Amino acid sequence: GEDVEQSLFLSVREGDSSVINCTYTDSSSTYLYWYKQEPGAGLQLLTYIFSNMDMKQDQRLTVLLNKKDKHLSLRIADTQTGDSAIYFCAESRGTDKLIFGTGTRLQVFP
Amino acid sequence: GAVVSQHPSRVICKSGTSVKIECRSLDFQATTMFWYRQFPKQSLMLMATSNEGSKATYEQGVEKDKFLINHASLTLSTLTVTSAHPEDSSFYICSARDPLTGQGSYEQYFGPGTRLTVT
Repeated sequence: GEDVEQSLFLSVREGDSSVINCTYTDSSSTYLYWYKQEPGAGLQLLTYIFSNMDMKQDQRLTVLLNKKDKHLSLRIADTQTGDSAIYFCAESRGTDKLIFGTGTRLQVFP
Repeated sequence: GAVVSQHPSRVICKSGTSVKIECRSLDFQATTMFWYRQFPKQSLMLMATSNEGSKATYEQGVEKDKFLINHASLTLSTLTVTSAHPEDSSFYICSARDPLTGQGSYEQYFGPGTRLTVT
């Protein structure tokens, strides 16, 4: 199937770490992406990981990939109020087509 | 970085009329553009893949006669919603691939979206 699942909502305190999880079903995925969407706006690419990697770190962002379990996570260190948004994971399977997850709404409170 | 614009950002139209949404790549040439639809609090659903100079490829369940896509140049794709109905009200987002750059082989750059309301 094409389902890419995410938890719907995450609430964290400012300064704490946030971990957003994503599960996918197709083991042929080549690239996996994390996008951020702020209210009423398009999507901003945050980071991506190639399927033969286990981890990628980019400043405050850490992506972990467990290919065996088809599980992807995004960790945001020192979460700020400006990080409040909807986060989508997405997978590509060697083509242009992206399959998006259901989105996780991150709320950061002071 | 690569920038994609959409126009208009918001549009209200009456049932039965048609509305055109433009998607432009501002600083790169996009041979491939994509059109997505997003319902409130839901994910993005790919509607069609637009290839410059050829017919668009529509996803299953998307009516090609209702959602007309034209990709006449390397920087412009248009989506026309014909004979709009209230159920067509949605947030439409386009994206474009820059074949020359990008962090990943299939990275897409997204426009800011167009909110369509059909009354």
